[in-house]
Amino acid sequence: ETGVTQSPTHLIKTRGQQVTLRCSSQSGHNTVSWYQQALGQGPQFIFQYYREEENGRGNFPPRFSGLQFPNYSSELNVNALELDDSALYLCASSGEGALKDTQYFGPGTRLTVL
Amino acid sequence: LAKTTQPISMDSYEGQEVNITCSHNNIATNDYITWYQQFPSQGPRFIIQGYKTKVTNEVASLFIPADRKSSTLSLPRVSLSDTAVYYCLVGDPISSGSARQLTFGSGTQLTVLP
Repeated sequence: ETGVTQSPTHLIKTRGQQVTLRCSSQSGHNTVSWYQQALGQGPQFIFQYYREEENGRGNFPPRFSGLQFPNYSSELNVNALELDDSALYLCASSGEGALKDTQYFGPGTRLTVL
Repeated sequence: LAKTTQPISMDSYEGQEVNITCSHNNIATNDYITWYQQFPSQGPRFIIQGYKTKVTNEVASLFIPADRKSSTLSLPRVSLSDTAVYYCLVGDPISSGSARQLTFGSGTQLTVLP
């Protein structure tokens, strides 16, 4: 158990809809990263939030957006869902107290877009 | 961007030692090498991290030669529950913040047979 929680566990949406995924970081961690993992592939970095500001972004379109709150929890929002957005979405937290470059992952949210 | 190359899959038998080698020819001076383990439909789990020479913890050992262009994860006496995907990562710097973007490859699927 890493102390990182995500909700919901599973989600089914239809193409064109919007979705919000939530993540609570491990206590003491001020940085949250989001990853998308398609079936059979490694996780792909979406973006990272550090002290409530976006702190880096991968190769994802603007319809992927996020927020980080004062308690360091975070949301991932995806607008205009496409079939290819079906994936496991992972949240990872880290902070000054963690080993360098070490991120602690939550269990993920499985999103299915029909 | 420091890319990594590792075997797609490996098979082993219970009780054997397993060594998974990762190549990272373009590793930067400040980069650390981190290995994660992932079971199906779960988030990756941190195994071990190192910068140079040898690191050992209760789960695994990590061997890094002097040129740091490769690393080897060693799992002693594997069991069936070690069947998972193993990722080798090299830390990528981002412009600010205390944590770093993780770049996952496709990983190595380790299958432990009885």
